Amino acid sequence: GAVVSQHPSWVICKSGTSVKIECRSLDFQATTMFWYRQFPKQSLMLMATSNEGSKATYEQGVEKDKFLINHASLTLSTLTVTSAHPEDSSFYICSAEGTGGLEQYFGPGTRLTVT
Amino acid sequence: QKEVEQDPGPLSVPEGAIVSLNCTYSNSAFQYFMWYRQYSRKGPELLMYTYSSGNKEDGRFTAQVDKSSKYISLFIRDSQPSDSATYLCAMRGAGGTSYGKLTFGQGTILTVHP
Repeated sequence: GAVVSQHPSWVICKSGTSVKIECRSLDFQATTMFWYRQFPKQSLMLMATSNEGSKATYEQGVEKDKFLINHASLTLSTLTVTSAHPEDSSFYICSAEGTGGLEQYFGPGTRLTVT
Repeated sequence: QKEVEQDPGPLSVPEGAIVSLNCTYSNSAFQYFMWYRQYSRKGPELLMYTYSSGNKEDGRFTAQVDKSSKYISLFIRDSQPSDSATYLCAMRGAGGTSYGKLTFGQGTILTVHP
């Protein structure tokens, strides 16, 4: 149980375009999902927290207009990187927390490369 | 000073060795402590989850928390080459604005060689 999937696993896009990443909890309902970014050989940095049906809460320094987060259902959250630039190239990972649970389960990650 | 400090290693041990991984933290609001294992280009996998001070054992893994010293450890017994990965400690507060937010250590790269 507690499986989280992400799609796509790897994406290459051109500078200036937008990319959407999906995060799904497959076998449980997630009231809260989190989006992280991880640069090579570095730890995970929390970007934002999304709660189903409400606006996401962004961490300091994260541009909310650039990283659009939508948590439309209890099993799906999406991250859209708008007007992507090469410096947005990174490994994006989501996690999901179930109702009443304290544990976070992570997706496999999405590697974004902006050329 | 970072809220969570973790020696990045790398740490290289022979198969069968006991591995000790550690993190220190400065924020006394942290109440929940986790250890994750991350293989290259994969998402973190939850290994252990603890709340109170003391030890928690699960198979070859033992998690230890000392809240008075703000120090947590993960011990791996009879280490295997398949244990080679990056190990991340993570912690979170119990409520308020920090609820649910995990703060990660830098991660320790572990290699277990046959």
